[in-house]
Amino acid sequence: EDKVVQSPLSLVVHEGDTVTLNCSYEVTNFRSLLWYKQEKKAPTFLFMLTSSGIEKKSGRLSSILDKKELFSILNITATQTGDSAIYLCAASYYGGSQGNLIFGKGTKLSVKP
Amino acid sequence: NAGVTQTPKFRILKIGQSMTLQCTQDMNHNYMYWYRQDPGMGLKLIYYSVGAGITDKGEVPNGYNVSRSTTEDFPLRLELAAPSQTSVYFCASRLGTNYGYTFGSGTRLTVV
Repeated sequence: EDKVVQSPLSLVVHEGDTVTLNCSYEVTNFRSLLWYKQEKKAPTFLFMLTSSGIEKKSGRLSSILDKKELFSILNITATQTGDSAIYLCAASYYGGSQGNLIFGKGTKLSVKP
Repeated sequence: NAGVTQTPKFRILKIGQSMTLQCTQDMNHNYMYWYRQDPGMGLKLIYYSVGAGITDKGEVPNGYNVSRSTTEDFPLRLELAAPSQTSVYFCASRLGTNYGYTFGSGTRLTVV
């Protein structure tokens, strides 16, 4: 059965810390790996990764995909209280439902002042 | 652009009642999706559509129905609501399979 596993499920850090969130996947006909940030409402898109070893960066956030070892990481440097959210990882696959996503359960990040 | 708009934001239903969750997008996206999110469980796909007039079941379709008569609108119908349908429902759309999803702000549904 296809699955996406995120770890840790929750994390508490202090402002200024650097965090690494993990996402491993076992997905048939894997296409891409997506990261979302979910605060109180809708998930907002962060990154889509399709190639191994190419880091994507946006401000203090960065992410990389390893298609050989079947995992991705999301790094947040110099964390701020505004980074507190649930971070969702999702894998898309070819065929089936035209780009459906299999979501992990999320990592709840809490950043303390 | 408003993006993906969902209504209502909150709703309480009694067991056996029916309702329609509305979703509309103004980005001319062909692909639209309905997900439900239960606490600690990630998002599960209910139904999806790859274009007007085309819909298909996702992972958890039982108890729901959809239609896609226009590119913009993708309503989700609940017939005979059950407590197991208490959840947060998200509608999403994307331009194509090489693009990220845009989510609506969600509908929190409670069935009592």
